[in-house]
Amino acid sequence: AQKITQTQPGMFVQEKEAVTLDCTYDTSDQSYGLFWYKQPSSGEMIFLIYQGSYDEQNATEGRYSLNFQKARKSANLVISASQLGDSAMYFCAMREPEEAGGTSYGKLTFGQGTILTVHP
Amino acid sequence: NAGVTQTPKFQVLKTGQSMTLQCAQDMNHEYMSWYRQDPGMGLRLIHYSVGAGITDQGEVPNGYNVSRSTTEDFPLRLLSAAPSQTSVYFCASSYGVVGYQETQYFGPGTRLLVL
Repeated sequence: AQKITQTQPGMFVQEKEAVTLDCTYDTSDQSYGLFWYKQPSSGEMIFLIYQGSYDEQNATEGRYSLNFQKARKSANLVISASQLGDSAMYFCAMREPEEAGGTSYGKLTFGQGTILTVHP
Repeated sequence: NAGVTQTPKFQVLKTGQSMTLQCAQDMNHEYMSWYRQDPGMGLRLIHYSVGAGITDQGEVPNGYNVSRSTTEDFPLRLLSAAPSQTSVYFCASSYGVVGYQETQYFGPGTRLLVL
């Protein structure tokens, strides 16, 4: 089973509008972290936002916010007031214990990504 | 701080050749890892290290070797390149592994083509 699922291969949004990129995850652990990364056409991976499993409030970073619904195991990224520079691939990722119930958190598990295109 | 650096940026190999992808970080991070990115598959973990002298396998380790003799460096070796190893390779690091909140920071990537 997929650990991280991004069901939208591609999304389009008009400049200045808001857009939501979907991410659902699968884990049996109580302690985990969720991350969003942006990959522009230049190829680098840029960290955008983080949400911890025990955080009661949704994370926000400037125009980025994370709509965290723990019971539904979803961590959707919301980009407000889209800009042309937001056009990129977006990846959702999860960090969970190396072993169930463990305390060592190493690897990130990534979704397949969503390509966002912002139209002027 | 230079952050995470990778060399080379682009490499073409012939099948059977060997090479080493270099990765270095100057943030005194304990945790370093290598991912490969293939079209439509996101990033997959190859190998990782939780500190100098300690390495372990990730999801797709076959055909790759790693070592970690210093905190700063984490090279990835392809012993006998195959066309299936054509990919973009990313090195990443984070401060530690004790907390799931640790953000991983990525290098700029190495684009590898194996003919």
